Amino acid sequence: AQTVTQSQPEMSVQEAETVTLSCTYDTSESDYYLFWYKQPPSRQMILVIRQEAYKQQNATENRFSVNFQKAAKSFSLKISDSQLGDAAMYFCAYRSPTSGTYKYIFGTGTRLKVLA
Amino acid sequence: DVKVTQSSRYLVKRTGEKVFLECVQDMDHENMFWYRQDPGLGLRLIYFSYDVKMKEKGDIPEGYSVSREKKERFSLILESASTNQTSMYLCAFSPDLNTEAFFGQGTRLTVV
Repeated sequence: AQTVTQSQPEMSVQEAETVTLSCTYDTSESDYYLFWYKQPPSRQMILVIRQEAYKQQNATENRFSVNFQKAAKSFSLKISDSQLGDAAMYFCAYRSPTSGTYKYIFGTGTRLKVLA
Repeated sequence: DVKVTQSSRYLVKRTGEKVFLECVQDMDHENMFWYRQDPGLGLRLIYFSYDVKMKEKGDIPEGYSVSREKKERFSLILESASTNQTSMYLCAFSPDLNTEAFFGQGTRLTVV
């Protein structure tokens, strides 16, 4: 069964600095999707960034980028120029198109604090 | 903007009560999910549904059931609420495998 591991329960970053959140996963499949979701105090989960496993190029969305290492099964999120509004829980998620269940598998989350 | 609406943001129920958590999506999508979120455990799948009247158990279905009579509405039912079901419940839907899931704002349920 697939698993997703986020080994950092909590991280802190100074405003305007860069922070990297770690995520590793375990799968025997070759085709899958990976996601980072943000959950602010309002509790609304929103997508930050997604990566298709067949794409070698790392996904980027403005200040957010990923370092996708398929062989190492690693999918880290880099936040550049951190802002106070980035403070939230961040969840890494895996989804397989071949599983037949459409379900997402989530990590346990990393709470990011942004220090002014 | 797509929208997922959960009927309550906060609920307090007594042990043994039957509890209904409602979720409505404003798009005509098949795949809907109920997750439970607990600190240190992340999101765990309770049930999901890929069509009307179709449902599949997730990883932690014990103590829960679901109902999907119409495509836009997916209800989570706690037949007899217990204190260990105190948690945050998140509903989501996903148009297809190539897109992300869209979440509701969550219902924080407290069972006393």
